[in-house]
Amino acid sequence: QVQLQESGPGLVRPSETLSLTCTVSGGSISSSYWTWVRQPAGKGLEFIGRIYSSGSSNYSPSLKRRATLSIDTSKNEFSLKLSSVTAADTAVYYCARYELGHFDYWGQGTLVTVSS
Amino acid sequence: QSALTQPASVSGSPGQSITISCTGTSSDVGSFDLVSWYQKYPGKAPRVIIHEVSKRPSGVSNRFSGSKSGNTASLTISGLQAEDEADYYCCSYVGIRSYLIFGGGTKLTVL
Repeated sequence: QVQLQESGPGLVRPSETLSLTCTVSGGSISSSYWTWVRQPAGKGLEFIGRIYSSGSSNYSPSLKRRATLSIDTSKNEFSLKLSSVTAADTAVYYCARYELGHFDYWGQGTLVTVSS
Repeated sequence: QSALTQPASVSGSPGQSITISCTGTSSDVGSFDLVSWYQKYPGKAPRVIIHEVSKRPSGVSNRFSGSKSGNTASLTISGLQAEDEADYYCCSYVGIRSYLIFGGGTKLTVL
């Protein structure tokens, strides 16, 4: 059973960079797409980006300028960096596996608040 | 690109059927059979209930079904149960730049 776990600071100051890591267990990260999705309070799900084990990545056009995904197959983990954050980036951030046209495994989600 | 369009809310009584629509464009829903649907409870991670338009993952009730016509995908839930009360999201692959896009979400109320 594949399991994902997000980790990272729960509080980030405005204009700084949000950094999150997703650790994958129960399976290899060396295949499939690995993704980040977020949900601001009271709003819908938003795709941030996805990365393949080769390092190839795709991003939402609205976040492409600020988001960077990376992957470390030796540690079975992948990461998100979101620069120049504002209060609008406050959300629950999920990591998930994207396989065969759908998100099949998800992390539990981690709340990141942007505030001074 | 804007989110896929879903009704903000739908409701139905136990035992009834409801359908949630998800309207996109010829760049996403209309061009690829990579539409998936997710059920989400507050405070919980989403759960896939339909993928590739109409395929149901193992363990998902056959009361859930999906279809697509043109630029609009649909999720039908038959035999509504109280436990179906949740938020539902559609998601589609977008061919240009190869990213994914969600619908705005639909809150299902079981009366």
